[in-house]
Amino acid sequence: GAGVSQSPRYKVTKRGQDVALRCDPISGHVSLYWYRQALGQGPEFLTYFNYEAQQDKSGLPNDRFSAERPEGSISTLTIQRTEQRDSAMYRCASSPRETGELFFGEGSRLTVL
Amino acid sequence: QQPVQSPQAVILREGEDAVINCSSSKALYSVHWYRQKHGEAPVFLMILLKGGEQKGHEKISASFNEKKQQSSLYLTASQLSYSGTYFCGTGGPSPNNAGNMLTFGGGTRLMVKP
Repeated sequence: GAGVSQSPRYKVTKRGQDVALRCDPISGHVSLYWYRQALGQGPEFLTYFNYEAQQDKSGLPNDRFSAERPEGSISTLTIQRTEQRDSAMYRCASSPRETGELFFGEGSRLTVL
Repeated sequence: QQPVQSPQAVILREGEDAVINCSSSKALYSVHWYRQKHGEAPVFLMILLKGGEQKGHEKISASFNEKKQQSSLYLTASQLSYSGTYFCGTGGPSPNNAGNMLTFGGGTRLMVKP
């Protein structure tokens, strides 16, 4: 596809359930980033990959959050035992190299009831 | 620590100029600027690297003063399409950890009226 694709676009889940959010980056982009954006706020860094290697996960809030990019392309962000405070827009972004323009996806809006 | 943006909001008439400031309490290697329209993804505007260079993008330009740890975004002769929320993202303090692990400010809402 032409841009970064994320799915699902909207996810409503009950507290305690696990969710998996998927990101399909722009073909050939080396770096993939996960950000979280609260309403009216700037994006907040979570984690990033170069190819399949997770380079930094310092932004993940706690150990309920994990991410993978096993083949260096599609990435999945998993949130276990969701809590209401996890509700937010989760945005994936890719970049052709580690430093440079970030191409953001449309995001996955997660609502935890 | 999150950079501080000012003003928080600004309303302009088409054709007027605006300046958006971004200030950090920590040393910076890079400052990134993005614009986000309501309900859409953030879109890249430009990156400024340590060295104080000023970059331009049509009628939008920016400067970076690494000594003051500040960046400013200049919008001249604003157009209706400039409306949106502008975010600065800071990286650094060195090239090794600059990357795109950005810390974004709270945003500046810009509205351009006819």
